[in-house]
Amino acid sequence: EDQVTQSPEALRLQEGESSSLNCSYTVSGLRGLFWYRQDPGKGPEFLFTLYSAGEEKEKERLKATLTKKESFLHITAPKPEDSATYLCAVRGGYQKVTFGTGTKLQVIP
Amino acid sequence: DVKVTQSSRYLVKRTGEKVFLECVQDMDHENMFWYRQDPGLGLRLIYFSYDVKMKEKGDIPEGYSVSREKKERFSLILESASTNQTSMYLCASSEGDRQAFFGQGTRLTVV
Repeated sequence: EDQVTQSPEALRLQEGESSSLNCSYTVSGLRGLFWYRQDPGKGPEFLFTLYSAGEEKEKERLKATLTKKESFLHITAPKPEDSATYLCAVRGGYQKVTFGTGTKLQVIP
Repeated sequence: DVKVTQSSRYLVKRTGEKVFLECVQDMDHENMFWYRQDPGLGLRLIYFSYDVKMKEKGDIPEGYSVSREKKERFSLILESASTNQTSMYLCASSEGDRQAFFGQGTRLTVV
């Protein structure tokens, strides 16, 4: 059974204080690892897809990296508008996508 | 832009009612999904479909059924709504191994 564990559950940062979110996974035959951002009361918004170990993707203050067992979402010099819940998900065989429970990020001005 | 549209943002139903949640996508995606999201439990997969008239159970299919008569439309059916089905329901679609795009969600309350 595919499993995704995210840590920490919640993270509070001062504006400008860089940090990383962790996503550990077990999956039989990884066919993609996904990062999403979710604002309260809304559907998840796609950020990145990673397919193989060593791959990296960047977008503004966010950078996602992938190893064979985990992925990190690095947030550099965050701003209050980066406050959201960040979700990690993996696709294994047969199109099934399994999500972690998310990290709730709060960036304080 | 890909658009996934769920028929209702908020819904209140009575225990025992049959409930239909509708989802439409406009990008000709082959895969469609229904998830429910609860605090502390994250998104849990109810059902998914990889083609018209095809469906596969996810992790928590009990109490639910689905219908996919057309490629763009995927319906979630609560046969007899119960209070423990009060939740946020999210529909998504994807193509191949690419990312899934989500609708805005339906917050269902069963009283």
